[in-house]
Amino acid sequence: DTGVSQDPRHKITKRGQNVTFRCDPISEHNRLYWYRQTLGQGPEFLTYFQNEAQLEKSRLLSDRFSAERPKGSFSTLEIQRTEQGDSAMYLCASSLSMAAQAKNIQYFGAGTRLSVL
Amino acid sequence: EDQVTQSPEALRLQEGESSSLNCSYTVSGLRGLFWYRQDPGKGPEFLFTLYSAGEEKEKERLKATLTKKESFLHITAPKPEDSATYLCAVITGNQFYFGTGTSLTVIP
Repeated sequence: DTGVSQDPRHKITKRGQNVTFRCDPISEHNRLYWYRQTLGQGPEFLTYFQNEAQLEKSRLLSDRFSAERPKGSFSTLEIQRTEQGDSAMYLCASSLSMAAQAKNIQYFGAGTRLSVL
Repeated sequence: EDQVTQSPEALRLQEGESSSLNCSYTVSGLRGLFWYRQDPGKGPEFLFTLYSAGEEKEKERLKATLTKKESFLHITAPKPEDSATYLCAVITGNQFYFGTGTSLTVIP
C-alpha cells in the first residue's frame, strides 16, 4: 500500500480560472476527507465522504468549491473562479470507519499547494 | 463553540533537553484526541490517538497523555530530527478540529 496520494503536488493558476485536484485514498478506506491549510495554521475541515456519499460540508465552504467521489474510490475537489484567498495547501485524508469501534485514524496525503496569481 | 488550543506556538530546545507540548480543548462529545507530526511541505503524519482520560501512549522519545480537558505530548531527550510542527486534533461527531500546532526546533 502506497498511502494517500494527491495530484498535482503544485498548481499555479490565474485568478478566475477553475482548478481540479485529485486524491487517491488508501485502498480499503471507506472515508475520505478534504482539508485546507494556510501557513501557520492547522488543517481546516472542508468536507468528507463515506464511500461515494458526501456526508458533511463545512459551513465555511464557498459555493465555488465542489467535491466528488463517484465510485467510492478516488475523489476530486474543484474550485471554480479561483480567488487569491484560495491560495493554500489542500490536504486529503482517508480512514477506515468500522461500525464496532470507530477509531477513525486519518492518514494524510502530501497535499496540493495552490497558488492563485 | 468547539475549540482546540495548542501551546506554546514555538519551542526551541537543545538536543537532550526534555519538554512538553500542551493541547487544551473545549468540545462537546469528544470521541478521540490525535497527535500528528508535520514536516514543512508535507502532510501530517499520524503519531498517537487517545480516547479516554488517563490513557497514555508512547513511541520512541514521545509520550502522549490525556485528561478531561487537555493532552500533553512529552518529548524526552529530543534529537534534531524531532524538529517539526506537532498538531493536535480532536474528533467530535464526524469532524476533526485541529489546533494551530507547536513548531519545535531541536538545536544540536
